[in-house]
Amino acid sequence: AQKITQTQPGMFVQEKEAVTLDCTYDTSDQSYGLFWYKQPSSGEMIFLIYQGSYDEQNATEGRYSLNFQKARKSANLVISASQLGDSAMYFCAMREGWRGAQKLVFGQGTRLTINP
Amino acid sequence: EPEVTQTPSHQVTQMGQEVILRCVPISNHLYFYWYRQILGQKVEFLVSFYNNEISEKSEIFDDQFSVERPDGSNFTLKIRSTKLEDSAMYFCASSGEGTRQPQHFGDGTRLSIL
Repeated sequence: AQKITQTQPGMFVQEKEAVTLDCTYDTSDQSYGLFWYKQPSSGEMIFLIYQGSYDEQNATEGRYSLNFQKARKSANLVISASQLGDSAMYFCAMREGWRGAQKLVFGQGTRLTINP
Repeated sequence: EPEVTQTPSHQVTQMGQEVILRCVPISNHLYFYWYRQILGQKVEFLVSFYNNEISEKSEIFDDQFSVERPDGSNFTLKIRSTKLEDSAMYFCASSGEGTRQPQHFGDGTRLSIL
């Protein structure tokens, strides 16, 4: 079974609109972390936002926020007031457990295109 | 802001040759990782490294792969006898102590096997 599922292979949004990128996850651990990364066409992986499984508040970082619904096992990324520079691949990833060098498991990604 | 640096940015190698990919993690980080991304696919975990030994490795990380931290700063991935299917982008990442610490990725090395 997929640990991380991103059901939207591609999204097209008008500039200045808000966009929600979906991510659902599967784990039996109580302690885990969820991450979103942005991958522009140049290829680098840029960390955007983190949500811990015990966090009571949804994470926010500037224009990025995370809609964390623990019971539904979803961690959707919301980008407010989208900009042309937001066009990129977006990956949701999960780290299970807290100790040490815990690997990230990535979803398939969503390609976001912002139209002017 | 400190960053993870990877060299080279692009490596072209003949099948069967050995290749070494180099990484300089962020200086105060303790945990190091290699991931790969085949073109158009998701990022896959290869190996994690802590305290000078492998913490975990994936099924992809077979006997032809090895990692080393030869000095206090470099972290290398060696592929002994490359195959066509090793062609991918290879990312090095590092993270600090603490449960909220993200993994910071380098810009990647694009490996092309001919």
